[in-house]
Amino acid sequence: QVQLVESGGGVVQPGGSLRVSCAASKFTFTSFGMHWVRQAPGKGLEWVAFIRSDGRRKYYADSVKGRFTISRDNSKNTLYVQMNSLRLEDTAIYYCARADGELERRPIDFWGQGTLVTVSS
Amino acid sequence: QSVLTQPPSASGTPGQRVTISCSGSSSNIGSNYVNWYQQIPGTAPKLLLYRDNQRPSGVPDRFSGSKSGTSASLAISGLRSDDEADYYCAVWDDSLSGWVFGGGTKLTVL
Repeated sequence: QVQLVESGGGVVQPGGSLRVSCAASKFTFTSFGMHWVRQAPGKGLEWVAFIRSDGRRKYYADSVKGRFTISRDNSKNTLYVQMNSLRLEDTAIYYCARADGELERRPIDFWGQGTLVTVSS
Repeated sequence: QSVLTQPPSASGTPGQRVTISCSGSSSNIGSNYVNWYQQIPGTAPKLLLYRDNQRPSGVPDRFSGSKSGTSASLAISGLRSDDEADYYCAVWDDSLSGWVFGGGTKLTVL
């Protein structure tokens, strides 16, 4: 069964930076695009970013464009999101999720359990 | 406000059939497949339907999906208490070049 395990969440001050990671296992990581999706406390799901299987194309939500960078290390089966210039409204559970194929239009078929990022002074 | 519009709540009694709508536009639902996710509070979302009406392995046929124009619907028949959850629609949006989620519908089984 697909496994996605996020780590790196925590408390950070407004304007600060944080990198969250997602370790993938039990599937061929290099064959699948990957997403980050977040959920603010008590709120709905918000798509954050997507990266293709080869890492060459990336897509971002307008709310994080220019501040967040999605990346992957296929040699380590690991997905990342580097979050800079964090704002209070970035507080959320961040889910790592697998697309059911290589490209951006393929839907998410598996989700990690999420890691909480809290932006607070 | 979400690009995709869902009712915030829905309810039904055990055994009933309920539907949840998802309304969008020509750049998302009108031109791409709709997918549905179920999220039980405190847990990660789970894929319920993909490509408008396809069920992943393990999802019972009580769950079905349909689409017409720029709107889609999720139907749950034979409602059970463990169907109580939040339900989200999700679609790729050509104008935004990104994924959009509906605001979510909280289903209560009375």
